[in-house]
Amino acid sequence: EAQVTQNPRYLITVTGKKLTVTCSQNMNHEYMSWYRQDPGLGLRQIYYSMNVEVTDKGDVPEGYKVSRKEKRNFPLILESPSPNQTSLYFCATSISGANVLTFGAGSRLTVL
Amino acid sequence: GESVGLHLPTLSVQEGDNSIINCAYSNSASDYFIWYKQESGKGPQFIIDIRSNMDKRQGQRVTVLLNKTVKHLSLQIAATQPGDSAVYFCAENENTGFQKLVFGTGTRLLVSP
Repeated sequence: EAQVTQNPRYLITVTGKKLTVTCSQNMNHEYMSWYRQDPGLGLRQIYYSMNVEVTDKGDVPEGYKVSRKEKRNFPLILESPSPNQTSLYFCATSISGANVLTFGAGSRLTVL
Repeated sequence: GESVGLHLPTLSVQEGDNSIINCAYSNSASDYFIWYKQESGKGPQFIIDIRSNMDKRQGQRVTVLLNKTVKHLSLQIAATQPGDSAVYFCAENENTGFQKLVFGTGTRLLVSP
């Protein structure tokens, strides 16, 4: 089954404790991206990757890092989480470019 | 389930009615548009898309209309069913060279049996 898998689905952490949200896809998609979803603000892009070793900033990249060492994985790293990073995070992929995106189920992150 | 928006505009319809969800997009250079459906606790799912060289596209029970003059997009759902209850987002590809979709804030559709 074609899918985008995110882990963890839910996480409560404390300010400053580094965490990684993983994203894996089994569709051989070149394009992968991370969005955060906040009430009243909709979905905003954090980072995206056009292919292995190619990443670029989206609209709200501050406080986040990504890497794309393999085609199937695109982890989102919060080196020092802060409460304003409390949000619902989605990984999304497409065959190429920002076209029809397939989304993961989401990761709810709470930073205390 | 996950809360995607506390103050979303809401459209309430009866089962069997036709629904129209509207979206105003921001960039006149945008060349590609998509409608997504998000059910509680899930990620957005693709419904239908349209390119800027078209003004109408039909799918199964859904139709998307594009009016570039006023930068307006609409999603029509025929014979709305309770399973259509969700938050609906429009998204535009702004054709700026940056590979991203810009999403609207969404409309909640509530379908009563």
